[in-house]
Amino acid sequence: DAKTTQPTSMDCAEGRAANLPCNHSTISGNEYVYWYRQIHSQGPQYIIHGLKNNETNEMASLIITEDRKSSTLILPHATLRDTAVYYCIDSYGKLTFGQGTILTVHP
Amino acid sequence: GAVVSQHPSWVICKSGTSVKIECRSLDFQATTMFWYRQFPKQSLMLMATSNEGSKATYEQGVEKDKFLINHASLTLSTLTVTSAHPEDSSFYICSASLPFNLAGGVFDVYEQYFGPGTRLTVT
Repeated sequence: DAKTTQPTSMDCAEGRAANLPCNHSTISGNEYVYWYRQIHSQGPQYIIHGLKNNETNEMASLIITEDRKSSTLILPHATLRDTAVYYCIDSYGKLTFGQGTILTVHP
Repeated sequence: GAVVSQHPSWVICKSGTSVKIECRSLDFQATTMFWYRQFPKQSLMLMATSNEGSKATYEQGVEKDKFLINHASLTLSTLTVTSAHPEDSSFYICSASLPFNLAGGVFDVYEQYFGPGTRLTVT
C-alpha cells in the first residue's frame, strides 16, 4: 500500500499556481519524495524529486517541510495541459503508486 | 533525453494465446526496468523488477510463469503474457531507470522514466 496521503482532487485556474500537498509522515531517512503525473491513457511522467532540501526544475518546485513529514508540489503557472493525476511517492528505488490527486486546470 | 518506448501500443488477442510486449530505453542504458499494470480507474500496480542479465523479481501475487519477463540487454526488456484470459486485459506500462551515480561513497537515487503503455484486450 502507498504510504503517502494526498487529496483526491483539486481545481486550479489557468495561469495561477497549483499547490499540491502530500503527507508522508512515515518516510524513512534514506527515502526520497518523488512526484510523477499521469495524463489520461499515457505512461506517468517524472516531475521532480527531493530528499530534504527544496528543489526546483523547469517543470515545478518541491517544498519539503523540515521534519520531512509533508511536501508541496508547486506548478507556478498552471496550463490546461497540466490537467492530470499527480502522484506523490516516498521511496528508495521501488515506486508504490497511491491514488494520487486529480488536478483539473480550468480556463 | 530519457525516452522509453513500448511496442505495441495496443493489442487485441484471443483467449489462450500469448502476447509479447517490448520496452526499450532509446537514449540511455537502463540497469533496471519495471513492469506495471493499471486497470481502469485504478492506480499503477508494480508487477516485477527486471535487472539486465538476471531473473526478474516479482511482486507478491504476480504469477511469474504467466508473466514472463526477459531483460536481455541494457536497452530492452520484454513482458510475455502467456495463455491470456479476459481478466488479463489491462494497461501495461514499463519504466526504465537511469544508472546509480556514486557520489562521495553514497549511491544516488535514480529516476524512473515510463513508456507510453500498451493496452491489452483479451477476447
